[in-house]
This record gives sequence, C-alpha cells and structure tokens, in this order.
Amino acid sequence: KAGVTQTPRYLIKTRGQQVTLSCSPISGHRSVSWYQQTPGQGLQFLFEYFSETQRNKGNFPGRFSGRQFSNSRSEMNVSTLELGDSALYLCASRPGGAALYEQYFGPGTRLTVT
Amino acid sequence: EDQVTQSPEALRLQEGESSSLNCSYTVSGLRGLFWYRQDPGKGPEFLFTLYSAGEEKEKERLKATLTKKESFLHITAPKPEDSATYLCAVRGAGGTSYGKLTFGQGTILTVHP
Repeated sequence: KAGVTQTPRYLIKTRGQQVTLSCSPISGHRSVSWYQQTPGQGLQFLFEYFSETQRNKGNFPGRFSGRQFSNSRSEMNVSTLELGDSALYLCASRPGGAALYEQYFGPGTRLTVT
Repeated sequence: EDQVTQSPEALRLQEGESSSLNCSYTVSGLRGLFWYRQDPGKGPEFLFTLYSAGEEKEKERLKATLTKKESFLHITAPKPEDSATYLCAVRGAGGTSYGKLTFGQGTILTVHP
C-alpha cells in the first residue's frame, strides 16, 4: 500500500499571504489528522477529520482551517500568514475503526514564512 | 489535559552499548501509547502501540514496555542506523481526544560507530 502523501513538500510564502496544503491518506483510511511541528513546541495537534466532518480541533487560531473530501483526501489552509507559522506541517491517517488509534504520518510540508 | 515527558533529551551511545529511553505520561483514560521514530526532514515512522500496563512489544533491536505511569524503549546493541529522534505519544479517552495524539518532545539518539 502506498503511504500518506503530502503536497507540496516545500513552500515559501510572505507574511500576510495564505497557503493551502494537501494530504492523501493511505487507501482505505477515513481519518486524517493534521499536526504542526516546530523546534520549540514539538508536535502539536491542529485538527482531525473523519468522513468529511471535523471532529476535533486543537488550540490554534481561526486562521487555521481544513476540510476533507469524499475520497478522504484533506486540505488545510492558513490565512494571513505570520512568521511564527513557519513549521513542518504533518498529516497522519488511520483507518478510523474502533480501537485502532495508531496514526501513519506523511513526509510533511515544510512551510517557510518570510 | 494529557501530558507526555520524555527523558533524556539527548542520548549518545557507542555502537553495541544498550540503553533505555523513558516516557512519563498523564492521561485521562489511556487508549494507547505510541512510539515513533523520526529521521531529519521526514515524518514520524510508527514503531509500536501499547495498550495496557505490563504489555511489551519488540522489533529488531527495540523493545517497548508499559506501566501505569511510564513507558520505556529499550535499545539492545544499537547500530549507527538507529540514530534518530524517538517520539512518544498518548491517546486519551473522550471526545476531546478524537484523532489527537499528544506527543513528548522526543529523545535525540546518536549512535557512534
């Protein structure tokens, strides 16, 4: 099975711009979670989608949003970018069944805000 | 709120020198404790899931164990290719934990030949 894929892998944006990141989960996986990883804060949970519905959201401002499509692919959007948004954004998928909680991560999108 | 603390922050070993990494956690209703390996510039790679105290899992030179308050990742006779950051995460119970893993800051392991 192919793993989780994320596009683009690298992105450079300017403060004030917006960005959209894409994630394709492992085939058959219905749950997609997004994380932000920085050297200072480590891995922090952004949100989770299951069957096109956001079921959980972390402590991030409303500038961070996401969505999931009927084929389980997911996108996250960050509007009005700030310098502090520079990070590795990771997407993870899991089947979504009960008692199957391990998540499988993609390679990430490295976002640099200048 | 779920919390995970990993120690040490960094560990330098000689090839063949066995050691252990620690992960202490507090969680409301543990649904799983997870170990991941992360290489520079890559996403975390899943290693193990532990569900209940007393459980152990092994994979090559790695063995993970779980108690009610902490988990250990034992590395036996490590090789330079085991060098990576090892991350511990927990999944709690309840709606606020849907799809959410709470991670520790990781242990950076360096194995010298």
